[in-house]
Amino acid sequence: EAQVTQNPRYLITVTGKKLTVTCSQNMNHEYMSWYRQDPGLGLRQIYYSMNVEVTDKGDVPEGYKVSRKEKRNFPLILESPSPNQTSLYFCASSLRGANTGELFFGEGSRLTVL
Amino acid sequence: GNSVTQMEGPVTLSEEAFLTINCTYTATGYPSLFWYVQYPGEGLQLLLKATKADDKGSNKGFEATYRKETTSFHLEKGSVQVSDSAVYFCALSDRDSSYKLIFGSGTRLLVRP
Repeated sequence: EAQVTQNPRYLITVTGKKLTVTCSQNMNHEYMSWYRQDPGLGLRQIYYSMNVEVTDKGDVPEGYKVSRKEKRNFPLILESPSPNQTSLYFCASSLRGANTGELFFGEGSRLTVL
Repeated sequence: GNSVTQMEGPVTLSEEAFLTINCTYTATGYPSLFWYVQYPGEGLQLLLKATKADDKGSNKGFEATYRKETTSFHLEKGSVQVSDSAVYFCALSDRDSSYKLIFGSGTRLLVRP
């Protein structure tokens, strides 16, 4: 089954404790991206990757890192989480780019930073 | 810059009522327009899309027409069901950039039996 898998789905952590949210897709997609969803703000892009070893900042990259060492995986790293990073995070992928609009989304990872 | 504005929710309807969720956009050039749906506890799914002016996207009884003159892409359905309860996001893509979609803030739809 074609899917984007995120882990963990739910996480409560404390300020400053490094964490990684994993994202994996099994569709051989070149493009992957991370969004955060906050009430009243919709989805905002954190980072994206057009292909392996190619990553770039989105609209709200502060406090996050990513890597794309393999085509299927695109982990999101919070080196020192802060309460303002409490949010619902989505990973998405597409065959090539986002402008076809056919993004496939994971089920989301709800992160709470105390 | 490019942006998408959606009507605030929640929108509460009775089953079989007519649905309209308004979406307007600001963009340079000729963007493609999309509606995504997010069911409770799930990720977003593409519902429908339109790539040029006057195109009508449709899926699962939902429709939206790309209106360049009014910069709008309103979502409609003639008869909603309880199972349509979800959050609906309008989005656009910039033809000059392949790296992101721009999303509206989302509109929650609640359909009562």
